[in-house]
Amino acid sequence: DAKTTQPPSMDCAEGRAANLPCNHSTISGNEYVYWYRQIHSQGPQYIIHGLKNNETNEMASLIITEDRKSSTLILPHATLRDTAVYYCIVRRKTSYDKVIFGPGTSLSVIP
Amino acid sequence: NAGVTQTPKFRILKIGQSMTLQCTQDMNHNYMYWYRQDPGMGLKLIYYSVGAGITDKGEVPNGYNVSRSTTEDFPLRLELAAPSQTSVYFCASNLWDLELDTQYFGPGTRLTVL
Repeated sequence: DAKTTQPPSMDCAEGRAANLPCNHSTISGNEYVYWYRQIHSQGPQYIIHGLKNNETNEMASLIITEDRKSSTLILPHATLRDTAVYYCIVRRKTSYDKVIFGPGTSLSVIP
Repeated sequence: NAGVTQTPKFRILKIGQSMTLQCTQDMNHNYMYWYRQDPGMGLKLIYYSVGAGITDKGEVPNGYNVSRSTTEDFPLRLELAAPSQTSVYFCASNLWDLELDTQYFGPGTRLTVL
């Protein structure tokens, strides 16, 4: 599985867009980029995933560079409830794959 | 649907004791996973299962055992508890599908070994 690197922590002002970067320079052609978040003491929560096209859902947008070596998760209008640890994961969609989490980015949304 | 449920929520064990952490999902998911999360760290995969009767080791399987006799249940067994197993344990499941591939997590079991 390709490894990912994320900054350990970031701050964002409430109401502004939060842009969380992720590097995955060894990603393979059949590996997807997934984002999860974990609010304090809770189980991780799925946010979004993509292969090579940009994706958007009700929670966030995912921008993947053309060479697929990095991606950015965008929370368009961050709120205090978005304070959490955000995990970027790359994995294949095969029947015997497993999900490995790294240390993630701790995002603090500041009033 | 209740989703992924875990019991107990909290447990304190003495060194050398044994226990089973229970995990049940009612979404008919074929994949199930056990993770542990130490304070301030990411999740580490202990064991996973791709279907009833099939299990495999993750990153940190030592000291644990699993079984998967039904689609719904995936218990995690600690045979001889050690202080290094103090952690929060999360169970997760997902349905392998090219279009729907989101992993659902349980609320966690907080285990302390003294």
